Amino acid sequence: EPEVTQTPSHQVTQMGQEVILRCVPISNHLYFYWYRQILGQKVEFLVSFYNNEISEKSEIFDDQFSVERPDGSNFTLKIRSTKLEDSAMYFCASTFGTLNTEAFFGQGTRLTVV
Amino acid sequence: GDSVTQMEGPVTLSEEAFLTINCTYTATGYPSLFWYVQYPGEGLQLLLKATKADDKGSNKGFEATYRKETTSFHLEKGSVQVSDSAVYFCALSPVSGSARQLTFGSGTQLTVLP
Repeated sequence: EPEVTQTPSHQVTQMGQEVILRCVPISNHLYFYWYRQILGQKVEFLVSFYNNEISEKSEIFDDQFSVERPDGSNFTLKIRSTKLEDSAMYFCASTFGTLNTEAFFGQGTRLTVV
Repeated sequence: GDSVTQMEGPVTLSEEAFLTINCTYTATGYPSLFWYVQYPGEGLQLLLKATKADDKGSNKGFEATYRKETTSFHLEKGSVQVSDSAVYFCALSPVSGSARQLTFGSGTQLTVLP
């Protein structure tokens, strides 16, 4: 069964450092997403990406965040200068289309900022 | 904006007990509704979905009916198993829009005891 894979599963970084979270979406999917879940809180939408550009983003997705599809398979989330409050589980997801399609999620990357 | 309110947990049941996890939503238009499940150490998996009023989604013995009049999508299972222990998330997605942006509830931790 096709799956979305994320690496690493857990990353610890110092405050102020840049981190890149990596995702390999399902190969024939066209839409890609990042969500995050701060411990004990809701899963929150960050950004969606289609045709090599951001299609929607939430208020959380400020200038310190960026996304990129550097090649035909990877989809990355970069946080330029991490803050303590960026500590969360980050989920990548992909869909084939936008209507009546299922979002497939990765297993998540737990980011801990110290 | 759109929102999902989900029954708070944790919920602890004995094997073969009846399960209900309440979910209500606020949205404009006609959203699609979903239940996702997260087993320990894994990503979010789609459990079931409904795309229009009065639709019933079902999978693995779980059911939920899209009730527009009460804006609800309660999850039910007649006889839970130990293997159902997981976190359950109710979510919605707007029908319109350029991509599928999911709004999640806070999640309900279910523990089933043998």
